[in-house]
This record gives sequence, structure tokens and C-alpha cells, in this order.
Amino acid sequence: EVQLVESGGVLVQPGRSMKLSCAASGFTFSSFPMAWVRQAPTKGLEWVATISTSGGSTYYRDSVKGRFTISRDNAKSTLYLQMDSLRSEDTATYYCTTARYWGQGVMVTVSS
Amino acid sequence: DIQMTQSPSFLSASVGDRVTINCKASQNINRYLNWYQQKLGEAPKLLIYNANSLQTGIPSRFSGSGSGTDFTLTISSLQPEDVATYFCLQHNSWPYTFGAGTKLELK
Repeated sequence: EVQLVESGGVLVQPGRSMKLSCAASGFTFSSFPMAWVRQAPTKGLEWVATISTSGGSTYYRDSVKGRFTISRDNAKSTLYLQMDSLRSEDTATYYCTTARYWGQGVMVTVSS
Repeated sequence: DIQMTQSPSFLSASVGDRVTINCKASQNINRYLNWYQQKLGEAPKLLIYNANSLQTGIPSRFSGSGSGTDFTLTISSLQPEDVATYFCLQHNSWPYTFGAGTKLELK
């Protein structure tokens, strides 16, 4: 059974950092590009960042470029999202996804 | 960025009705269009990929069509469990972009 389990979401103050993790199982993690997608409360979906199978290529939406870093450890079947200089507008549920498979999401709240 | 205009935003239909949801891309995205269903409090679920391919395990009452800029998701006979919000996603070019969603309710 395919599982993507996100962790790391908490309440954090603006300007601080947070790192999300996503543990994958049930499929060959190293064969799939991976991504983070977010959804602000009562809003639509927003594709945040994508990483290639090897980790050699990454893509970010403009609003997080320079602040967020996506990475992966294929040996551990784990995806990461390092989020720095967090803003209130980053408040959302963050999903780890292959586009086909999705985790259940982790809530990140940025507030003073 | 490619803009995805999804319509309608809200849809009320009866069990057994044929339902169609549309997405229009601001430029050619070939067939790189997925459809997702999201129920309240749940993660999105992939229904259709590459415009018209039915994801494994999804009921055959769901179908997708279109190419280029205009795409349609059709539910041939609405069931109570289809109450959800539906999103399209273009994955032709970065940044990938979603439609704003269609909230489907039972009449």
C-alpha cells in the first residue's frame, strides 16, 4: 500500500524557519519526481515546489523562491521542505505528492 | 504563468444527473491536464490524468476529454459519494497551476 506521511507542521512566528518531512513507502520512491502542494484555509490548491528523481533539478513558485528548499533522500525514501523567512501567507496545509499519490497533509500556521 | 479558468464554481445536481465541469487554459497545454476530487478534510484524489486517462480504481462514470486549451470532466450518472470539490491541474509547464475548483453538491 502506498503511503506518504508528512510531519513537522507547527505554529511558528513570522520570520522563523520550519522543516517538513514526508516519509514514503509502498512504491519505488527514487523513480518518482516529488512535490509539495499547499492549500490555505478554505482556499484552492497551489503547487509550491518540485524535485526530480535524483534531486538534481528543483523548481519553485515565485512566491517561495529563495525562502523554501525542497530536497530528498532516496536512501531513506523521504522528501523534505525547508521553509525559511516564513510569512503569514505561507499558512496552509502542505501536501507531499507524486501527483498521483498524496499524503494526508500537515498544517503550518505562521502567526505571532 | 498559465492560468486555468475552471467553471462553474458551484454546481448543484441530482442523483443520476450527467455533470460536466470545464477548465480552460490560457495557452496550449497539449493533454497535460489532470482532474482531482477532494472531499472535505481529505487529500486530493487523482481521477483523470493526461486529459482522458482514467486512474486505476476510479469508477467508469468519470471521464475526461479535451486537448490544447479546453478540457471537460464528465460524471455520467451522479452518485451521492461524488459530493466533493473538483480541481484541474495543468502540468505542461512550470509553474504547474490548478483551477480554482468546482464545488459539487446534491440538489
